[in-house]
Amino acid sequence: GNSVTQMEGPVTLSEEAFLTINCTYTATGYPSLFWYVQYPGEGLQLLLKATKADDKGSNKGFEATYRKETTSFHLEKGSVQVSDSAVYFCALSSSNAGGTSYGKLTFGQGTILTVHP
Amino acid sequence: DGGITQSPKYLFRKEGQNVTLSCEQNLNHDAMYWYRQDPGQGLRLIYYSQIVNDFQKGDIAEGYSVSREKKESFPLTVTSAQKNPTAFYLCASRTSTGGGYGYTFGSGTRLTVV
Repeated sequence: GNSVTQMEGPVTLSEEAFLTINCTYTATGYPSLFWYVQYPGEGLQLLLKATKADDKGSNKGFEATYRKETTSFHLEKGSVQVSDSAVYFCALSSSNAGGTSYGKLTFGQGTILTVHP
Repeated sequence: DGGITQSPKYLFRKEGQNVTLSCEQNLNHDAMYWYRQDPGQGLRLIYYSQIVNDFQKGDIAEGYSVSREKKESFPLTVTSAQKNPTAFYLCASRTSTGGGYGYTFGSGTRLTVV
């Protein structure tokens, strides 16, 4: 079955530090990969996505590249801000060769990021 | 604006009682999902529905029930059979042609058993 493994947290950084959150996956079919962000007391918001190998998703200074050879989708940001403090989830949605999505997201366990001024 | 509304935001339940969590969407999405979130465990799928009047069990369906009588609504009932119901519950919806990335999440309901 499908699974997603994220680096264990929590992660604590100073403002303007470089961020990496590791994510690896196992999946059948042709997965799409996502990073979601959850701010305190809220639901999930899509941060970025990649739908095929070597695609790079990017948004708000965050980036992640779909690496099929290493089954990874690591999240990076060059300079974090206090406002980036949140929980980050890596997720995948598997589909068949025709691109039909099975529609179910499989999530990693989440990584808590705290950024100090 | 279109979106998903979950209510209530906080819910308290006595042991042995059933409780129903509401999820309404005005996005005209075909598919709807319920996830449970526990600290350090990510999100786990409870039930999902691809079309009206049809739904399937997810990974942790025991002790839960759902209905999908209208496209806009997908309520979740937490029954007394659910042994550890205290958690954060998230509802999501998706277009049927979203290719896996057309998901929208609600803001969640935090259920506490007292």
